Amino acid sequence: AQSVTQPDIHITVSEGASLELRCNYSYGATPYLFWYVQSPGQGLQLLLKYFSGDTLVQGIKGFEAEFKRSQSSFNLRKPSVHWSDAAEYFCAAGSGGGADGLTFGKGTHLIIQP
Amino acid sequence: EAGVAQSPRYKIIEKRQSVAFWCNPISGHATLYWYQQILGQGPKLLIQFQNNGVVDDSQLPKDRFSAERLKGVDSTLKIQPAKLEDSAVYLCASSLAWELRGYTFGSGTRLTVV
Repeated sequence: AQSVTQPDIHITVSEGASLELRCNYSYGATPYLFWYVQSPGQGLQLLLKYFSGDTLVQGIKGFEAEFKRSQSSFNLRKPSVHWSDAAEYFCAAGSGGGADGLTFGKGTHLIIQP
Repeated sequence: EAGVAQSPRYKIIEKRQSVAFWCNPISGHATLYWYQQILGQGPKLLIQFQNNGVVDDSQLPKDRFSAERLKGVDSTLKIQPAKLEDSAVYLCASSLAWELRGYTFGSGTRLTVV
């Protein structure tokens, strides 16, 4: 069965420190991979996506993610976090050109310490 | 461009009552999705439409949930009768068919069943 795992339910990072959020997937073939961010009471905003090609993907708000086929991972990184980055982050995977239904992980809640 | 519009934003109903949610996708987006997001979990796909036809409704509890997309534009998701476990945020998303940009999500409808 297709699945997406985000091992960390909560992560606390000091403002200005670097960040890495983990995501592992289990799919029959290389899926299309996404990272979304959700602020309280808001919908999901797309941060970045990977379909093929360069395994290091740049997104909005200074985020990047690296696809590692050997580890079935697609971890999200940011070199220096801001207090406004506090939110829920979801990794998602899909197939069929990115237009099919996505399978989401359970999310990682990011807390920023001053 | 205008985003995905959903209404109402919040709804509180008693169990066994019925409820309906409305979604207006981005103009020109042929594909429309309904997701259910239970507190503390990632969104789960309920149903996917391509124009006014159903592509995937394998995770839709058809004994109580129904959805339609008349004329291939707006969509309505209905629950009848509601159960306590239906308390969740219902997210609508849309995308261009085979568009590789990922979805655009609405802000969602938060349903509380008491």
